[in-house]
Amino acid sequence: RKEVEQDPGPFNVPEGATVAFNCTYSNSASQSFFWYRQDCRKEPKLLMSVYSSGNEDGRFTAQLNRASQYISLLIRDSKLSDSATYLCVVNPLQGGYNKLIFGAGTRLAVHP
Amino acid sequence: NAGVTQTPKFRVLKTGQSMTLLCAQDMNHEYMYWYRQDPGMGLRLIHYSVGEGTTAKGEVPDGYNVSRLKKQNFLLGLESAAPSQTSVYFCASSELRPDNTEAFFGQGTRLTVV
Repeated sequence: RKEVEQDPGPFNVPEGATVAFNCTYSNSASQSFFWYRQDCRKEPKLLMSVYSSGNEDGRFTAQLNRASQYISLLIRDSKLSDSATYLCVVNPLQGGYNKLIFGAGTRLAVHP
Repeated sequence: NAGVTQTPKFRVLKTGQSMTLLCAQDMNHEYMYWYRQDPGMGLRLIHYSVGEGTTAKGEVPDGYNVSRLKKQNFLLGLESAAPSQTSVYFCASSELRPDNTEAFFGQGTRLTVV
């Protein structure tokens, strides 16, 4: 089983739609969680961290369920510029060291 | 502010040739990482470093070596390139704090082994 698993998509949605991505992780001791965004042929960039209490940044909401080892990202009112691949990232903090493990990514295509 | 810089950006190697990819960061980060990205596979960790003079294996270390002689540089070496090492390579760096592991990435190196 992969350490971090995501639905690869693609998700094809119209502008203004709400779309949700899910991610599961296998290491129950994982300490911190993130969503990164990667545009085509570009480097990944941090979108937002994910906290146990859930957090929101504008149209983006991230949730963490430690009991189910599950992370989600909700995008409301999708824009054309949201088209990208969204990467779920987990830091298992093994041996006291940070180590970022990436999921394979979920591709989002927003169309007019 | 340059952030993370990778060189070269593109390279074509013949099977069996060697090369070194250079990663440099100017943010005084303790952690540095090398990933490879293949279609449908996401980013897979090759090696990482938790500080100057240290290195550790990631998920897919075979066929690669690394060195971190200076804090700002992290080198990835391919001693005898194979077609299976055709990929996009990303270097990243981050702070030491576990609650703030935002990783900053270089622009990537597209390597083709023929």
